[in-house]
Amino acid sequence: EAGVAQSPRYKIIEKRQSVAFWCNPISGHATLYWYQQILGQGPKLLIQFQNNGVVDDSQLPKDRFSAERLKGVDSTLKIQPAKLEDSAVYLCASSPSRVTDTQYFGPGTRLTVL
Amino acid sequence: TQLLEQSPQFLSIQEGENLTVYCNSSSVFSSLQWYRQEPGEGPVLLVTVVTGGEVKKLKRLTFQFGDARKDSSLHITAAQPGDTGLYLCAGAPSQETSGSRLTFGEGTQLTVNP
Repeated sequence: EAGVAQSPRYKIIEKRQSVAFWCNPISGHATLYWYQQILGQGPKLLIQFQNNGVVDDSQLPKDRFSAERLKGVDSTLKIQPAKLEDSAVYLCASSPSRVTDTQYFGPGTRLTVL
Repeated sequence: TQLLEQSPQFLSIQEGENLTVYCNSSSVFSSLQWYRQEPGEGPVLLVTVVTGGEVKKLKRLTFQFGDARKDSSLHITAAQPGDTGLYLCAGAPSQETSGSRLTFGEGTQLTVNP
């Protein structure tokens, strides 16, 4: 079974630029999560999708971050414009259903904002 | 907001030593998960504990969930260099919410020196 795929693996941009990350969850998984992990900290949930609907985006900085999950499969996370403090690893995870707590993580995208 | 505190934050030991990592909270969790994360990779689930007082063993790793389901510990016997990584605990909310939102601790960075 293929795992969660993310791209790109690394991205370096200058502040005020825009960036987008892509995630392909495990086939058949209804729930998709985006996390931000700052160096030395645990992952922080940004947004949770159930199929193509948003379940929880309470910690998403909506003035600059946006995410979508078209057709309930792949998802993209966008930052526009980026700030220095957005430098982090962005992790995508998926789980079979909303009541299942086991999440499977992708390798992450390491973003550096200069 | 449910918070999980992990201790110690950093741990550097010699191969063959034993160690214990702690995960504590003032909140009750329905279940608690332990993950290990290696550099450049996403967290990988090691175990889920559900019942208060539950003890699970995974080879040289022993996981315990506190009786009150507020805390957990991870004990590693005869640590090996391959155990090196960031150990994260994550708690699931005690009441069913609109999603399965995990609360992650800040992690314990373990280094096992040969």
